[in-house]
Amino acid sequence: DSGVTQTPKHLITATGQRVTLRCSPRSGDLSVYWYQQSLDQGLQFLIQYYNGEERAKGNILERFSAQQFPDLHSELNLSSLELGDSALYFCASSVALSGENTGELFFGEGSRLTVL
Amino acid sequence: AQSVTQPDIHITVSEGASLELRCNYSYGATPYLFWYVQSPGQGLQLLLKYFSGDTLVQGIKGFEAEFKRSQSSFNLRKPSVHWSDAAEYFCAVNNNNDMRFGAGTRLTVKP
Repeated sequence: DSGVTQTPKHLITATGQRVTLRCSPRSGDLSVYWYQQSLDQGLQFLIQYYNGEERAKGNILERFSAQQFPDLHSELNLSSLELGDSALYFCASSVALSGENTGELFFGEGSRLTVL
Repeated sequence: AQSVTQPDIHITVSEGASLELRCNYSYGATPYLFWYVQSPGQGLQLLLKYFSGDTLVQGIKGFEAEFKRSQSSFNLRKPSVHWSDAAEYFCAVNNNNDMRFGAGTRLTVKP
């Protein structure tokens, strides 16, 4: 158990819909990262938050957005969903006291999104 | 362009045999280097990491990896594979806060 909690574990929805994925980081971790894992694209970094502020941005679509709340949990919002958005979405956290991503990430078990 | 390459998509070894998973990176400076393992239905778990110093690093579950600057490689090894090692293995590189993962190598262990 990594200490990172993601909900829901599975989600099935239709094209055009909007979903929200939730992540609770390990206790004490200030940084939260979101990754998308699909068969054809592998593990893609989406976005990082540190103590409530956006820290780094990767290959995140404009239809996607995220935020980190004062209690440090994070949500990833996916809207106008397309078939190609079907993937595993991972949240990871790290201590990263300085905000620097050293790479020592603790991953949740992921949220599997299926868009029909 | 900066990249992380895992040349082997799928490797099959017999239980008890030795294992080496390859990882090459292309970055200007020496980045932070990692190996993660992903079991089916699970998130990624850190096996080991290299920041600096001794180029041979030990990790969990009996794994080790060797950083070779001249070859820009960070290969993962295990002397004797167990059936429970069957999983997907990811090499990862962090260069100046830019974290990249390789495409992964799926390990199958034969009885």
